[in-house]
Amino acid sequence: ELKVEQNPLFLSMQEGKNYTIYCNYSTTSDRLYWYRQDPGKSLESLFVLLSNGAVKQEGRLMASLDTKARLSTLHITAAVHDLSATYFCAGEDNNDMRFGAGTRLTVKP
Amino acid sequence: DTAVSQTPKYLVTQMGNDKSIKCEQNLGHDTMYWYKQDSKKFLKIMFSYNNKELIINETVPNRFSPKSPDKAHLNLHINSLELGDSAVYFCASSQYSASEAFFGQGTRLTVV
Repeated sequence: ELKVEQNPLFLSMQEGKNYTIYCNYSTTSDRLYWYRQDPGKSLESLFVLLSNGAVKQEGRLMASLDTKARLSTLHITAAVHDLSATYFCAGEDNNDMRFGAGTRLTVKP
Repeated sequence: DTAVSQTPKYLVTQMGNDKSIKCEQNLGHDTMYWYKQDSKKFLKIMFSYNNKELIINETVPNRFSPKSPDKAHLNLHINSLELGDSAVYFCASSQYSASEAFFGQGTRLTVV
């Protein structure tokens, strides 16, 4: 069974700083997904990474995938308060998504 | 237009009751899912349906049963509710199994 681990689980950072969230997974996963969840809200799809070496960027967020290392990263550049949320990565396992525990990001002024 | 909609958004009920959560998607997707998010925000899949066939059934208690009257609906029935069932339940759908999923707003179930 695919296991997905994220770190850190909690991240407090100041506006303007950069940081990276890591997502490791235990077995082969052809795709890797990143979702954002605001408090009390649903999950919003951020990125779908389809192949080794894939890199996608949207605003201040950039996601990458290394299937050989079984690692995906979500890099935050020059954080702003609006990025405060919980970020989930998810891999594929027998046509099903398995989620990490989530990283709760708080961006402080 | 809401792509994936769940009702109710909040559900408070007593132990032992039977309840249902409804989910509808208007995206024309083939696969629908139910996820449970616990108090620590951990998301775990419960069921998925593809073209009205159950293709994944996680080790959830058989008090939980999914019902799919058609491709656009996947309802979750829960019998004999227990305190530990309190959580947020998310419905989701995808074009095909394990493609990008779209989530409903979630149903916060509280069992008292």
